[in-house]
Amino acid sequence: EDQVTQSPEALRLQEGESSSLNCSYTVSGLRGLFWYRQDPGKGPEFLFTLYSAGEEKEKERLKATLTKKESFLHITAPKPEDSATYLCAVQYTGNQFYFGTGTSLTVIP
Amino acid sequence: DAGVIQSPRHEVTEMGQEVTLRCKPISGHNSLFWYRQTMMRGLELLIYFNNNVPIDDSGMPEDRFSAKMPNASFSTLKIQPSEPRDSAVYFCASRTGLEAFFGQGTRLTVV
Repeated sequence: EDQVTQSPEALRLQEGESSSLNCSYTVSGLRGLFWYRQDPGKGPEFLFTLYSAGEEKEKERLKATLTKKESFLHITAPKPEDSATYLCAVQYTGNQFYFGTGTSLTVIP
Repeated sequence: DAGVIQSPRHEVTEMGQEVTLRCKPISGHNSLFWYRQTMMRGLELLIYFNNNVPIDDSGMPEDRFSAKMPNASFSTLKIQPSEPRDSAVYFCASRTGLEAFFGQGTRLTVV
């Protein structure tokens, strides 16, 4: 059973068109939920950690939010340089991270 | 800090050959992870170490895969013998708190 599900798989936005990416998780006992950005040919780059429902984190045009079942990554007025794959990962008890398959974001000038 | 350093960046090998991937974690980080990334399956955890000790290797696909961490600053992932289905990008990550930091990966192609 999938523990982390991301949607949509791919998203194309016009520059300046705000949207949200979703990450849902199915198991209780969450220790942390993480958002990463991955550019082609590179390793995932850490963006945010969220620990509890109701928490929010912001960085430039990105804002991550967390509920008891899912997280959203809101992108406000995106620019072409925001194009990347955004990965969500969760940590339950233990030390392991479980990653979703990612959302590939393309921002068109 | 230079971050997590992986070598080689690219590896092309023939089926049946032994392949060794290398990782130098961030200094001071006490956990190290090996992941494999493919288009079909995304990022899969293969094994992780805590304080140089393997804690969970349930993600290692077969006995052909083995990993070692002889000290806090070095780890290897070995595939012997390699097969075409092992072709993927292999990432190493390290952490000391909850956040993990990734290397640039090794792109392995087995022909």
